[in-house]
Formats: sequence, C-alpha cells, structure tokens
Amino acid sequence: SQTIHQWPATLVQPVGSPLSLECTVEGTSNPNLYWYRQAAGRGLQLLFYSVGIGQISSEVPQNLSASRPQDRQFILSSKKLLLSDSGFYLCAWGRVSYEQYFGPGTRLTVT
Amino acid sequence: AQSVTQLGSHVSVSEGALVLLRCNYSSSVPPYLFWYVQYPNQGLQLLLKYTSAATLVKGINGFEAEFKKSETSFHLTKPSAHMSDAAEYFCAVTANTGNQFYFGTGTSLTVIP
Repeated sequence: SQTIHQWPATLVQPVGSPLSLECTVEGTSNPNLYWYRQAAGRGLQLLFYSVGIGQISSEVPQNLSASRPQDRQFILSSKKLLLSDSGFYLCAWGRVSYEQYFGPGTRLTVT
Repeated sequence: AQSVTQLGSHVSVSEGALVLLRCNYSSSVPPYLFWYVQYPNQGLQLLLKYTSAATLVKGINGFEAEFKKSETSFHLTKPSAHMSDAAEYFCAVTANTGNQFYFGTGTSLTVIP
C-alpha cells in the first residue's frame, strides 16, 4: 500500500529565516505530487505540483519554491520566510483523473 | 475551467439527525468529484469519489453522495450524525484528463449532543 510522509510535523521559525519541508511517498512510482497551504479557517490553496522529476508548476507567485530531486520526494523551500507564510502545509500524491492522497501536514508558525 | 462551491461554511446538526453538506460544481468537461474530511491538525482523508460510474456513491463512515448533472450538484449526506463526524469537509473536482484538483472552501460540521 502507498504511504505519504511529511516532516517536520510542526515548525516555528523567525521571519527572514529559511524553510525546508520534505514530503516522501512510498509504494508507488512516478506519482503526481502536490503542495497545498491551508491558512487558519480557510480552504486549500495549491502552491505547486509536479508530474515528474525536475518538473514543477507554480500556481501562486510567492517567496516559496519547490523541487523534486527524486521520483517520490517533493521539497518546499523558502530563502526568507514572511509572517504570511504561516499555515498548515499539506503534501499530496495522485495521478491524472485519480484521487489525491494527503500527508499528515506540517504546521508552520512564523514569528 | 473547473470549480466547486460549498454552500454554508458552518453546519450544525443534532446527534442522530440527517447530515446534508452541499456542493455545486462547474466544469466544461465531464467532472470527477470527491469529498474529503479533515480532522483538526490532520491531513485530508478521502470519503468518496464519483468517476462517471454509478451516480449514487457510497463512501466510508456511512456517507454517500449523489451526482446530479442537471443540477450540477454533488451533495454529501449521512442519515444519522455521530459525534465523531464533527470535522471539516471539502468537495473537490478534477477532469478525466486533469492533473489538478479544485477544492471548495470547506464546510465545518458541528454535531450537537
């Protein structure tokens, strides 16, 4: 069966510090991978998605970036965090016309 | 283009009462539709999906949804609410050729004992 991992589970970072969130998927190959952000009391905002190694599509202009160095690894990064980057970050995997499966999420608080 | 609209950001029901969460979609191509549930500080869990087979779809935890093309709706129902159903529910749409999901803004369900 497939599983998806995210770490860390929680993170508190000061404004201006760098960020690296990692997501890995097990039990499948060549999945589509997604990063979403969920602000407090709001819906899901798609940040990035990837259909293959090195292929990243950005949905929202911001100070975040994503990379996919391996087939089942998806990384979300920032060089300098803003207060507005606080939120709940969710990684998901899926396939074309297939349901998406979500990781447990990372709670990021920027102070 | 595709989108979903969830009517009612907050819904309260009594324990044992009918749960009805509304979702309307917009899609220029035949849609695939999904309902997810999210408990506090957790990821989203798939409840059920519609992928152009039976229009009445049964999911986990006693939930079901009916695809109505004429009404462009995919409402989620459960005959009898349990306290454990209290959570955030999201409707989503994609296309049979799509890489992206489009989520609604969510409905927070409160179950009153």
